[in-house]
Amino acid sequence: ILNVEQSPQSLHVQEGDSTNFTCSFPSSNFYALHWYRWETAKSPEALFVMTLNGDEKKKGRISATLNTKEGYSYLYIKGSQPEDSATYLCAFSGWTDSWGKLQFGAGTQVVVTP
Amino acid sequence: GAVVSQHPSRVICKSGTSVKIECRSLDFQATTMFWYRQFPKQSLMLMATSNEGSKATYEQGVEKDKFLINHASLTLSTLTVTSAHPEDSSFYICSARGPGEETQYFGPGTRLLVL
Repeated sequence: ILNVEQSPQSLHVQEGDSTNFTCSFPSSNFYALHWYRWETAKSPEALFVMTLNGDEKKKGRISATLNTKEGYSYLYIKGSQPEDSATYLCAFSGWTDSWGKLQFGAGTQVVVTP
Repeated sequence: GAVVSQHPSRVICKSGTSVKIECRSLDFQATTMFWYRQFPKQSLMLMATSNEGSKATYEQGVEKDKFLINHASLTLSTLTVTSAHPEDSSFYICSARGPGEETQYFGPGTRLLVL
C-alpha cells in the first residue's frame, strides 16, 4: 500500500500572510502529482498536474514545487485571503498504476481569518 | 469548462434498498470516469474506473456485484449501490477525464445514509 501523506492536517493563517504545506509520496514509480482545492459543498477544483522533477507551477497567488527524487511537493499560498480557505488535496499516480488511478492524501485544511 | 455534475447530492434510504447515483460531464466527453468513496477523516479512495462502453475495473476489496457501475455514454456514468446496508453509508464522489487528459474533473459528491 502506497502512502501519500500531507502535513499539517490543518492550519490557520492570518489574512495577508503567506503559508505552505507538504505532500509526500513514494519516490519510486513516480508518474504524476496532482493538487486540488476543495471548498465545502463544492467540487474539488484541479490546481496543478506536475510530472517533472524540479517543476514549478503557478496559478495566481498559489504555486507548487515538485521533488520526485525525494518524494515531496510543496504548495504555497502568497498573501492568503479568506477565499483561500479550503482543503487542499494532493494525489499521486505511478507508472505501474492503471491509467489515471490517483492515490489521495487526507488533505490540509486551510482556514484564513480576516 | 470541465464541469461535472452529480445527482443526488444526498440520499437517505432504508437498509436493503438500492440507490443509484448519476455522474455527468456537462461540457466535455468523458472517455473515463472514476468513482471514489470517502469515510470520515479519511482520504478519497478509488473504488472503480470505467471506460465508456466497457466493463468497469474495480479496486481490490470493492465488490462489483454490490457497486454496479454503468458508463453507457460519453457523458454519463451511474453507480448503483445494491441492497444497501448501514456500513455503505459514506460520501461517494465521481470524476471524469477527457481523451488524452491527465486532469480528472470532479463532481460535488453524494452523501449516502443507510438506515
